[in-house]
This record gives sequence, C-alpha cells and structure tokens, in this order.
Amino acid sequence: QKEVEQDPGPLSVPEGAIVSLNCTYSNSAFQYFMWYRQYSRKGPELLMYTYSSGNKEDGRFTAQVDKSSKYISLFIRDSQPSDSATYLCAMSALRVGRGSQGNLIFGKGTKLSVKP
Amino acid sequence: KAGVTQTPRYLIKTRGQQVTLSCSPISGHRSVSWYQQTPGQGLQFLFEYFSETQRNKGNFPGRFSGRQFSNSRSEMNVSTLELGDSALYLCASSRGRNQETQYFGPGTRLLVL
Repeated sequence: QKEVEQDPGPLSVPEGAIVSLNCTYSNSAFQYFMWYRQYSRKGPELLMYTYSSGNKEDGRFTAQVDKSSKYISLFIRDSQPSDSATYLCAMSALRVGRGSQGNLIFGKGTKLSVKP
Repeated sequence: KAGVTQTPRYLIKTRGQQVTLSCSPISGHRSVSWYQQTPGQGLQFLFEYFSETQRNKGNFPGRFSGRQFSNSRSEMNVSTLELGDSALYLCASSRGRNQETQYFGPGTRLLVL
C-alpha cells in the first residue's frame, strides 16, 4: 500500500461548482498536511497548510483533516476556470522546514478542469 | 521580487551522458531543495541544501548529486543518464530551515533518449 493515495482524475466540473479533492494515507504518524496547486508548465505553489485534525478555511478553499480515517480533503467553493490545475496533497510526520523537506510525502496529484 | 529560476527549461540528452541543472533561489533564501516529478512516481524528494551543506537526501542512486554555492545558487548533476531519468526536475527555495513555505521554480524538463 502506498503511503499517500490520490485519485489522478481528471476531474471536470462546471464553473461555480463545489469541488472536493481527497487523499488517503497509511502512516498514522503524519501530522502536517499540505495542499499544493500546480499549473501547467509551472512548479507547485502552496495553497493550504494544516496541523493535525480539523478544518482550515482561506477564501474559497477549505482544507479538512480526519486523522481517525486517515483522510484529507480540499474543498473549492464557487470554482472558477482559473482553478484549473493539478492539485497535490503532501504530508509529513515532522514539522516541515526543520531540515525536513525530505520528509514530505506527496500524492501524485488530481488534475482539475473547471469549464466556463 | 523575482521568483525561483531554473535553467535550462528544457533539455534533451542521450543515455550515458551527464547533465547539470541550475537553480537560483529567491533573493534572501538560503535553503534549496530538489525534486523529481514523473507521472508514474509523482513528486519525489532528491536533496536539500542549506548554507552550502547537504542537510537531507532522498532515496536516489549516487548518480544524482548536487551542491550549493555561497550565494545560495544550487546545481544538481545526474551522471550516466538512464531513460528513466526523464522527468521534470523542480527546485524549491525557502528563507531558512524553519520555514514551512517553500517556493518552487518552473522546473527543467529533461528527456533522455
């Protein structure tokens, strides 16, 4: 079983829809969870960063972590064509940045297309 | 403020050759990490440098190496290229070792024939 599983999609939704992106994981030691967005021909950019369980909201984006189910989600409200990108989840047992970028485990990404 | 820059953006090499990729971090950033991204394996960590020292290394063979210069610019080298090394190589920088946010460059797309 892979440490982090993410449905590759592609996922196609109409503009204005609520999008739900998910990852499951097997390592119960993971405590730090991130979502990155990657546009075509660009590097990933950090969207959301959460620690442990619970929800975090930032504008149209909500990140949700359910450690009991080993399941994380990213919700996008009122989706826009500009949200069309690949979304990568990433997680770590250690606080990222303390010389531990290498501990980040990434999902393979879900390709999202928002149609006008 | 300029972002992370990587050169070259595209590269075609043949098996057995070696390649050097370059990364210039955001001004003031001292930590540089390298990743390999492929459709099959996703994003995988190669190594991390801080103050010219390798701080962390991923699970890649010794053919993959890197270094960081005093101005924080970094290079990675792949020797004896294999077909499976075809990938997007991403560099990311952060201000220090205690920063969660790292900023990625656009990557160098390497094709090995």
